[in-house]
Amino acid sequence: GAGVSQSPSNKVTEKGKDVELRCDPISGHTALYWYRQSLGQGLEFLIYFQGNSAPDKSGLPSDRFSAERTGGSVSTLTIQRTQQEDSAVYLCASSSDRGSHGYTFGSGTRLTVV
Amino acid sequence: DAKTTQPPSMDCAEGRAANLPCNHSTISGNEYVYWYRQIHSQGPQYIIHGLKNNETNEMASLIITEDRKSSTLILPHATLRDTAVYYCIETDSWGKLQFGAGTQVVVTP
Repeated sequence: GAGVSQSPSNKVTEKGKDVELRCDPISGHTALYWYRQSLGQGLEFLIYFQGNSAPDKSGLPSDRFSAERTGGSVSTLTIQRTQQEDSAVYLCASSSDRGSHGYTFGSGTRLTVV
Repeated sequence: DAKTTQPPSMDCAEGRAANLPCNHSTISGNEYVYWYRQIHSQGPQYIIHGLKNNETNEMASLIITEDRKSSTLILPHATLRDTAVYYCIETDSWGKLQFGAGTQVVVTP
């Protein structure tokens, strides 16, 4: 597609449930980021995939959070046993050829844990 | 943590140039300066980036000082749609984008 696609756009889940958030990067982009943004706050780095290298997971806030990227394309962010503080907008971004055109962000998934 | 320093907010009159400063005094030789903006309720949008030369594209100009310790993003003719939070980030071309608090720019009629 023309841009980074994220699904679902909105997700409401009950506390304690697991959720999966999906990111479809721009075709051919080798680098992919996940960020989250709580209401009124800045962007918090979560995880970074670059080609076939081991991902940089240093931003994941707890072991309830995990992410994978299959075939160097689609990525899934999984949150287990969701908590209310997980409520935020989760943003995905991708880039090609050394980031020379910057990273393109998706519109995000708004997660609400009730 | 973000390694750049930006003013928290600034106002700009519609039609005038907006000059957004950024300090990046610890920038290393292989690190670029990237600018993004985030309009309310949208994902961040790439604006421009540079290494040491000044850069211009259809959105903005980027002026980097000779010592590379600071830069200025210039929006030549601000419009109401330019109201957003503007982020200045230093990173190498494959580096992690660490967003700081940015500058809230409000363009007024």
